[in-house]
Amino acid sequence: DTEVTQTPKHLVMGMTNKKSLKCEQHMGHRAMYWYKQKAKKPPELMFVYSYEKLSINESVPSRFSPECPNSSLLNLHLHALQPEDSALYLCASSPETGVAGELFFGEGSRLTVL
Amino acid sequence: KNQVEQSPQSLIILEGKNCTLQCNYTVSPFSNLRWYKQDTGRGPVSLTIMTFSENTKSNGRYTATLDADTKQSSLHITASQLSDSASYICVVSRATSGTYKYIFGTGTRLKVLA
Repeated sequence: DTEVTQTPKHLVMGMTNKKSLKCEQHMGHRAMYWYKQKAKKPPELMFVYSYEKLSINESVPSRFSPECPNSSLLNLHLHALQPEDSALYLCASSPETGVAGELFFGEGSRLTVL
Repeated sequence: KNQVEQSPQSLIILEGKNCTLQCNYTVSPFSNLRWYKQDTGRGPVSLTIMTFSENTKSNGRYTATLDADTKQSSLHITASQLSDSASYICVVSRATSGTYKYIFGTGTRLKVLA
């Protein structure tokens, strides 16, 4: 199984809503990532988890809150977002952060903030 | 500064034709370089990986080259197909304090016309 599964595929939310994006992988990878991608731009790193601990936070606003409940799951909790937060959110995994392994990406969650 | 630049930004070719995409990087220390293909609204998928000692690597109709001295890589697509229409992203890994980071290029958007 070489898949990273993200849900939901599409999400529309108001600025006062609380929602979550979910990501799951069963490749035994110990590093998991959240990326944000705007149209016609490369993915931008948001967070990195290594062995279920947050290792990198790229100065992301606190309205985005990551969570790694176990080695297979990664969540991104969303609260009080702004319209400019609308983007494709990509989850990725790799064997571990100490190895320059391949990033396996999910299909992404398309977020629209009204 | 660790950067990855790609050219051209966009490219339109006719089906069946060949094309070459360029990637220049200033990432140090260099670990490896990967080319990813990203279909619109989907997650990126790895095409090839190039390590420091490799000059050329093929994956079907895709051939990647690496010149570690000039810090340049290219991705050559042979006999293009409509399904090759996508963004192609060059990603360079670098090691920093025992952790590998991924530096994304700006991408080349390829459109193949019938």
